[in-house]
Amino acid sequence: DTGVSQDPRHKITKRGQNVTFRCDPISEHNRLYWYRQTLGQGPEFLTYFQNEAQLEKSRLLSDRFSAERPKGSFSTLEIQRTEQGDSAMYLCASSLAVGANVLTFGAGSRLTVL
Amino acid sequence: AQRVTQPEKLLSVFKGAPVELKCNYSYSGSPELFWYVQYSRQRLQLLLRHISRESIKGFTADLNKGETSFHLKKPFAQEEDSAMYYCALRYGGATNKLIFGTGTLLAVQP
Repeated sequence: DTGVSQDPRHKITKRGQNVTFRCDPISEHNRLYWYRQTLGQGPEFLTYFQNEAQLEKSRLLSDRFSAERPKGSFSTLEIQRTEQGDSAMYLCASSLAVGANVLTFGAGSRLTVL
Repeated sequence: AQRVTQPEKLLSVFKGAPVELKCNYSYSGSPELFWYVQYSRQRLQLLLRHISRESIKGFTADLNKGETSFHLKKPFAQEEDSAMYYCALRYGGATNKLIFGTGTLLAVQP
């Protein structure tokens, strides 16, 4: 297990296109989080899952965004009809639900919308 | 509403000098605070958390509820400490929803 993996690392797309990002968490972690980081800002919480259940979504997550974690393992974050304002680093993190409960982050997927 | 403020975007010090990275928070509940660090071309990683009350890589941070601060300190900076440092506040109960500050870039000059 090499930690939290994210794919792709970089995505350049044209406005209006759909994009999908994938996150593979640490295998024994049952919680998975998505954060977004724009230039000059810290990461902002978007949504999180416990196993396959999406337990919370931030108001930052517009209707164009959808996240899934179908089997409680990997997760996908899809952005439909991308806008230039969606350009950001999308970070995935995972943790245990109990115990030390510390987030382990992936390297992120950088989205550029032209 | 909860908020984390890091007033300095950049802190430049010479090797061997003391370092203090400032962090102030606003939260109505019982705060749990963290410092995360991102070295060049590496992923964001936990440096320390206040409940552990430990020193990591020579860094310490004390939660001051009266001043609502959680400043990060190191008595003697090293060049390898150069990185982006983010203060974060956990909110929303037993989840890992974190509010991050905007970060401070620490540059340690030789």
